[in-house]
Amino acid sequence: GAVVSQHPSRVICKSGTSVKIECRSLDFQATTMFWYRQFPKQSLMLMATSNEGSKATYEQGVEKDKFLINHASLTLSTLTVTSAHPEDSSFYICSAMAGGLNYGYTFGSGTRLTVV
Amino acid sequence: AQKVTQAQTEISVVEKEDVTLDCVYETRDTTYYLFWYKQPPSGELVFLIRRNSFDEQNEISGRYSWNFQKSTSSFNFTITASQVVDSAVYFCALGQAGTALIFGKGTTLSVSS
Repeated sequence: GAVVSQHPSRVICKSGTSVKIECRSLDFQATTMFWYRQFPKQSLMLMATSNEGSKATYEQGVEKDKFLINHASLTLSTLTVTSAHPEDSSFYICSAMAGGLNYGYTFGSGTRLTVV
Repeated sequence: AQKVTQAQTEISVVEKEDVTLDCVYETRDTTYYLFWYKQPPSGELVFLIRRNSFDEQNEISGRYSWNFQKSTSSFNFTITASQVVDSAVYFCALGQAGTALIFGKGTTLSVSS
């Protein structure tokens, strides 16, 4: 089945530094990837939609200059949290669409970011 | 606007009890997909089921069953004879082809032995 590999699974960084999270579709081409953020005991909230070869579309309230998304190939999308602060500590998870007749979503395993 | 409501924030049951998790959705679209995911403490989302809007057949998979009723815009999930390993957060989600999923707030299920 369709697999999305997300790395790192866990990262701790100092306040003010940047962190890059990668999501790779291993056995299919993902023209579209979605990035979600989940705070403790809350639901998954969509941050942005990433399309291969074009600029990402950000949800209202998400700072595009802080959360840089790059989707340069059909198998890789990255989310970079720039100048991270403690309030950015969260669980970040990506999702790719595996389309066709078996329409569905495949999720990465998530990245737990802690900013100290 | 699309919306998913999971009114039950937390449910606690004792092993072997049956439990139903409720999901009510709102959409103006005629073609849509409904999902249930399980999220254990490790965080990854475990896919349980996808149902499209044209298929109202109920489904059973082992101890899991789903009741989809378009008339009430509900897609409820029942676990029969619950087990401790069923303890997790369960999310109901709504989507269309080409768009991101919209998640409910989730229901935390605790099954004690």
